[in-house]
Amino acid sequence: ETGVTQTPRHLVMGMTNKKSLKCEQHLGHNAMYWYKQSAKKPLELMFVYSLEERVENNSVPSRFSPECPNSSHLFLHLHTLQPEDSALYLCASSQEWNRGRLITNTEAFFGQGTRLTVV
Amino acid sequence: AQSVAQPEDQVNVAEGNPLTVKCTYSVSGNPYLFWYVQYPNRGLQFLLKYITGDNLVKGSYGFEAEFNKSQTSFHLKKPSALVSDSALYFCAVRGHTGTASKLTFGTGTRLQVTL
Repeated sequence: ETGVTQTPRHLVMGMTNKKSLKCEQHLGHNAMYWYKQSAKKPLELMFVYSLEERVENNSVPSRFSPECPNSSHLFLHLHTLQPEDSALYLCASSQEWNRGRLITNTEAFFGQGTRLTVV
Repeated sequence: AQSVAQPEDQVNVAEGNPLTVKCTYSVSGNPYLFWYVQYPNRGLQFLLKYITGDNLVKGSYGFEAEFNKSQTSFHLKKPSALVSDSALYFCAVRGHTGTASKLTFGTGTRLQVTL
């Protein structure tokens, strides 16, 4: 509906597992984001990819590893997670660059999220 | 550092009554301001934004928001609430350059509309 699709919608994994979250956007945007949403906390920006380059890593633990193979796809690779990593993980995209100039007045479009439970 | 405050965790309103969800912000320079809505088990949906110009911005589903520079506020309003408006509402701010260009969200306000 928003043009940003996340899979899977739900994921339960053990602390020793390795899994990946996938995000795909069909909007032609040139920036993509991973956010973590936990109860009673502001949305936490985890990673930003702009023009397929990682431009932001907000002190995220190394057990979270992002990958952006092209402007339409974004992955979040997960390994040896902790129970406190259980949350809703949201992917978003926006049009951040126009003719080489950063534009910040555009809205971000979000996927429906992946509800992650670490057991 | 820029920030957004949504002082109410929850707002309760009867269907048909006007609603207001409050938001104040802090950012260097002129702000770009956004409202998003989140329904259960869904991602955030864009409602409206203020960039420049008219302080009253109209958005989706009959919502509007008023930008007040002197009070650094951007409150979300709707003249007549519907039960289907019940959801989590997020205010966000973004500056123009540098570290302020990141999109920063508030903690959200849950709107409960009852019959």
